Amino acid sequence: TQLLEQSPQFLSIQEGENLTVYCNSSSVFSSLQWYRQEPGEGPVLLVTVVTGGEVKKLKRLTFQFGDARKDSSLHITAAQPGDTGLYLCAGGRGYQKVTFGTGTKLQVIP
Amino acid sequence: NAGVTQTPKFQVLKTGQSMTLQCAQDMNHEYMSWYRQDPGMGLRLIHYSVGAGITDQGEVPNGYNVSRSTTEDFPLRLLSAAPSQTSVYFCATQPDRRDSPLHFGNGTRLTVT
Repeated sequence: TQLLEQSPQFLSIQEGENLTVYCNSSSVFSSLQWYRQEPGEGPVLLVTVVTGGEVKKLKRLTFQFGDARKDSSLHITAAQPGDTGLYLCAGGRGYQKVTFGTGTKLQVIP
Repeated sequence: NAGVTQTPKFQVLKTGQSMTLQCAQDMNHEYMSWYRQDPGMGLRLIHYSVGAGITDQGEVPNGYNVSRSTTEDFPLRLLSAAPSQTSVYFCATQPDRRDSPLHFGNGTRLTVT
């Protein structure tokens, strides 16, 4: 049972464009994490959000946790080729209970 | 500081063969887990351990066995490989802290023919 659905599944955009990736669930999570994964490597944490409505910024990346703590979004401004990768959201329920989303594969074309 | 080390990086098995995927960590994290990654499915939890001597099943445990005799090592055993087990396998560790991040190894790509 996949509790976290991400959309879109694939995204191919030109350098300089903006994009938003969505992560939705019918379940409530105590935290929401975003990871980025590059080919041949394991996922690497980008950010953790823990409060409903929380917004965090990491340079050109903006992360938001939904008010009800069931959904999240990742917005990238002026995408660059270095942003290319697989983006995964993951919902946490306290200690060691992490459920991953289906993933969004992003390609930024120079 | 190596972090999480997985071996081998690639493996090809014939149906019915058995093998062990190795995972070692040097961060003294109590929590360790195994995930498999398949296209369009994200990461699915196979087994996890909250400390030496303690293991439990995740979402997709069938066909896999684990043990945790030390804090550092958490091997994953495939008892009788099947083509459905063709996947990329990731080991992850996590500090014993609420909502803490997972630290992943670089994966083992397994093909079962």
